[in-house]
Amino acid sequence: QKEVEQDPGPLSVPEGAIVSLNCTYSNSAFQYFMWYRQYSRKGPELLMYTYSSGNKEDGRFTAQVDKSSKYISLFIRDSQPSDSATYLCAMSDYKLSFGAGTTVTVRA
Amino acid sequence: DGGITQSPKYLFRKEGQNVTLSCEQNLNHDAMYWYRQDPGQGLRLIYYSQIVNDFQKGDIAEGYSVSREKKESFPLTVTSAQKNPTAFYLCASSPRWDTHGYTFGSGTRLTVV
Repeated sequence: QKEVEQDPGPLSVPEGAIVSLNCTYSNSAFQYFMWYRQYSRKGPELLMYTYSSGNKEDGRFTAQVDKSSKYISLFIRDSQPSDSATYLCAMSDYKLSFGAGTTVTVRA
Repeated sequence: DGGITQSPKYLFRKEGQNVTLSCEQNLNHDAMYWYRQDPGQGLRLIYYSQIVNDFQKGDIAEGYSVSREKKESFPLTVTSAQKNPTAFYLCASSPRWDTHGYTFGSGTRLTVV
């Protein structure tokens, strides 16, 4: 079993829809949780960073962490074609572990 | 502009050859990392360096080697011992080993021909 599980998709939504992404994990020592966005043939860029359980909002993006369920989510509101990318969850105890990434396409 | 520069963007390797991927950062970060990305597998850690002149093996170090002689530079050599080297290689850095928001380079696509 992988430490971090993420459905690779692909996920296709119409412009303006809410995109919902999630990851599950098995290591209860993880304390730091991140979401990265990766455009095709580019390196990942940090999108959201949260510590421990709870919600964090940044513009159209909301990250949720539920440590009791070992489950994290990323929501993108009012999705735009420019949001089309691969989204990687990552989490850390003393080193970073990544999910496989979910490929999202927002259709104009 | 501060950032991480990886070169070359595309690299072709013949069977039995060693190749070196370059990674340079001007962010004054102490820690640097090399990851390999394969479809459906996410990012896997090859080597990491917490500070100059020091580095440790990651999860998939076999067939790879690194050096960290300068703070700014962390080159990765893919040796002939790496049996399946075709992949997308990503270099990253962070201010310290215990900070978790990494800055990534744009990657090098290595293909065996």
